[in-house]
Amino acid sequence: DTAVSQTPKYLVTQMGNDKSIKCEQNLGHDTMYWYKQDSKKFLKIMFSYNNKELIINETVPNRFSPKSPDKAHLNLHINSLELGDSAVYFCASSQESGLGGSYNEQFFGPGTRLTVL
Amino acid sequence: GENVEQHPSTLSVQEGDSAVIKCTYSDSASNYFPWYKQELGKGPQLIIDIRSNVGEKKDQRIAVTLNKTAKHFSLHITETQPEDSAVYFCAANPYSGAGSYQLTFGKGTKLSVIP
Repeated sequence: DTAVSQTPKYLVTQMGNDKSIKCEQNLGHDTMYWYKQDSKKFLKIMFSYNNKELIINETVPNRFSPKSPDKAHLNLHINSLELGDSAVYFCASSQESGLGGSYNEQFFGPGTRLTVL
Repeated sequence: GENVEQHPSTLSVQEGDSAVIKCTYSDSASNYFPWYKQELGKGPQLIIDIRSNVGEKKDQRIAVTLNKTAKHFSLHITETQPEDSAVYFCAANPYSGAGSYQLTFGKGTKLSVIP
């Protein structure tokens, strides 16, 4: 069973379009994240959700909006896509209310490669 | 906010040799330091982590050391194998306990193990 899954794996679209990337985790975690990895492999946090509440929002354009219908899902909606949005987007999850062990471990999905033409 | 510097950006070693990757961080409140391995076309995967109350941690061929005074931590891979070839990321987290968590990642090291 895949712990963190994302769809689609590849997304090619035109500038100006609106698109969504879906993420689901079956680990029972209470926190989910979206990261952007650029062409130089730099990983940067975009959002995180804890119990359906946004707790981190880095300097991300408001064209990007995370939507969490329930604790197991955190989808990423992107409006008016721009060339600079081309990147690989990773969803991740972790259990943040625990003691001991590596409870901060973030489990990453396989990524969605977004190409904006 | 936290800033994590990682060196080197690329590293080539002969199979069987050791590899060392170093990171420094800026926020003295950081107390959790994971290392992730990212293989081509996959998401990052945790390989080892260390908390601020420990100076060294080892797991088979992988070890991590932490110097809180100097604010740096290192990943050591011994007896490298071709399957160790990947991009490695260090990260730092300034929080502990329940609440909000943010991992700040280094820029990655591409490790190539030459057979």
